[in-house]
Amino acid sequence: AQKITQTQPGMFVQEKEAVTLDCTYDTSDQSYGLFWYKQPSSGEMIFLIYQGSYDEQNATEGRYSLNFQKARKSANLVISASQLGDSAMYFCAMREPPLSAGGTSYGKLTFGQGTILTVHP
Amino acid sequence: GAVVSQHPSRVICKSGTSVKIECRSLDFQATTMFWYRQFPKQSLMLMATSNEGSKATYEQGVEKDKFLINHASLTLSTLTVTSAHPEDSSFYICSASLMGPKSNYGYTFGSGTRLTVV
Repeated sequence: AQKITQTQPGMFVQEKEAVTLDCTYDTSDQSYGLFWYKQPSSGEMIFLIYQGSYDEQNATEGRYSLNFQKARKSANLVISASQLGDSAMYFCAMREPPLSAGGTSYGKLTFGQGTILTVHP
Repeated sequence: GAVVSQHPSRVICKSGTSVKIECRSLDFQATTMFWYRQFPKQSLMLMATSNEGSKATYEQGVEKDKFLINHASLTLSTLTVTSAHPEDSSFYICSASLMGPKSNYGYTFGSGTRLTVV
């Protein structure tokens, strides 16, 4: 079974500074995908970044980068130049392999416990 | 990108009544839909996986008779909370699984439904 762990219930950062949100995972699958989502108080899930297990380079999307350390099974999210609008709950998630070979759907996402990020002015 | 429309966004119902939540895929066919439940400041917990035209697969501990899931078409999946009680008050969110360039690496979420049972 897959497991995702986020050990930081809450994090605080000063505006314009960088912050790292931790995520570790455990899986016996060789092929897997790792995600980070942002959930503001409205509840919507906003996709931030994706890292495939076979990707050799760390994923980057604008101010977001994923520090992928496969041997340590960690996939930390780095947010550079924090903004007030970054204040939200952040979830790390892992994708299970497709439901069937040649299928049209992926398996379920397993989420970590979440980290509430507060950006101070 | 792919869009999933979830309704209602908020609902308040009386204890003992049933509530139906709909998730529609607007511009793609959703073969598989995942239904999650989330309590305040907690993680998303998978309740069930629905596949079009077949019975939903429920996670351990989720009452099948209480949380009825129907996925009768490729564009509509519904979750009905039957005989709702205050402890069912929660945030419910659906997620369609799809492959291809329209998805964010495989998943599109609805905007969620905040259910309050009084």
